[in-house]
Amino acid sequence: NAGVTQTPKFQVLKTGQSMTLQCAQDMNHEYMSWYRQDPGMGLRLIHYSVGAGITDQGEVPNGYNVSRSTTEDFPLRLLSAAPSQTSVYFCASSKDEKEKLFFGSGTQLSVL
Amino acid sequence: GQNIDQPTEMTATEGAIVQINCTYQTSGFNGLFWYQQHAGEAPTFLSYNVLDGLEEKGRFSSFLSRSKGYSYLLLKELQMKDSASYLCAVLESNYQLIWGAGTKLIIKP
Repeated sequence: NAGVTQTPKFQVLKTGQSMTLQCAQDMNHEYMSWYRQDPGMGLRLIHYSVGAGITDQGEVPNGYNVSRSTTEDFPLRLLSAAPSQTSVYFCASSKDEKEKLFFGSGTQLSVL
Repeated sequence: GQNIDQPTEMTATEGAIVQINCTYQTSGFNGLFWYQQHAGEAPTFLSYNVLDGLEEKGRFSSFLSRSKGYSYLLLKELQMKDSASYLCAVLESNYQLIWGAGTKLIIKP
């Protein structure tokens, strides 16, 4: 099994550009989530989904959109990139919100 | 408010034992997770505690005291590959995960 597949691994954007980070899982997990990881801070939840067609905001949702049209896919869209969005992003999934998370390999994003 | 505290960095010697502490103050409690994260990689699951006591899994053990808001991860027979960050995360009563900033563990030969 591939597990959680996240692309791209690296991305450089200019301020104001938009982009989509892709995330797919093949474990039939209902719960999917996006985190950002910044130095000296714990992982912070951006958006999450408890099943297809359902999404909700996490701790730091501003500037990001998500959709969950299928169980497998949970893309994260940056609408108009800002330098404050420079970070490492992780997609994660689990059977449900109480279970252990499986993480994608991460995306290192730099916004200039 | 919500808060999870872990030491920022610890150093230990290969073959020794190290204990990484985590204290928390959160809105309710539905369990505590430990994850391992090697530099430049994604976190991977190590352990889960929801009841008080010690859970042992090979060289790694995790302890929980809910009344004290305290957990520790115990690593025995340290190997160089154990050099990583160790993340403590608490599942609150609304099933949101609150993460500590992580403890960077450096193993010296």
